Amino acid sequence: GQQLNQSPQSMFIQEGEDVSMNCTSSSIFNTWLWYKQDPGEGPVLLIALYKAGELTSNGRLTAQFGITRKDSFLNISASIPSDVGIYFCAGFYGGSQGNLIFGKGTKLSVKP
Amino acid sequence: GAGVSQSPSNKVTEKGKDVELRCDPISGHTALYWYRQSLGQGLEFLIYFQGNSAPDKSGLPSDRFSAERTGGSVSTLTIQRTQQEDSAVYLCASSLVGPGDTQYFGPGTRLTVL
Repeated sequence: GQQLNQSPQSMFIQEGEDVSMNCTSSSIFNTWLWYKQDPGEGPVLLIALYKAGELTSNGRLTAQFGITRKDSFLNISASIPSDVGIYFCAGFYGGSQGNLIFGKGTKLSVKP
Repeated sequence: GAGVSQSPSNKVTEKGKDVELRCDPISGHTALYWYRQSLGQGLEFLIYFQGNSAPDKSGLPSDRFSAERTGGSVSTLTIQRTQQEDSAVYLCASSLVGPGDTQYFGPGTRLTVL
């Protein structure tokens, strides 16, 4: 079935460092989404990307939709302890299908 | 509340028993989704309701899984004759109009089948 390959699976970084994670797919998506999930909570949308090549920022977060519509990256600048959590990419084909296709997540741990 | 709510937050059951999980979407949201999240995995789509239309059941893993949405609001996900592999966090989400809108997730129900 459809898959999103998300990397890295986990990372430990020093507070203040920049973080980069990415997702790739063999399929083309109309929309790419980045979510963050804290323990015991549901995912919360961080950034949504709708156009190929689109670069969008949300505070310290920056995400880009690849030109081919088959990949996306998320950057976090100057990481802080509250950035800890699991980050998921998700793709949406569009139309009447209801499902998002999720990556397996990148677990971010920050050393204070 | 203003967000999506789910109950119970935790459910422990014995293999072979039936369970019902409840989701209250954000008021006014016409679209509702159920996902399953296994340990260390991403979310797996189960089913999608859009208003009064027939649901998209393409993600349900077996005929033991079913879901209803009454009055276009509250939804119940039912798992019959639970198996140990059904153990997971079941997440519900809703969106204002449809899949192209932002999906807001509830906190999930953690199901453990012994």
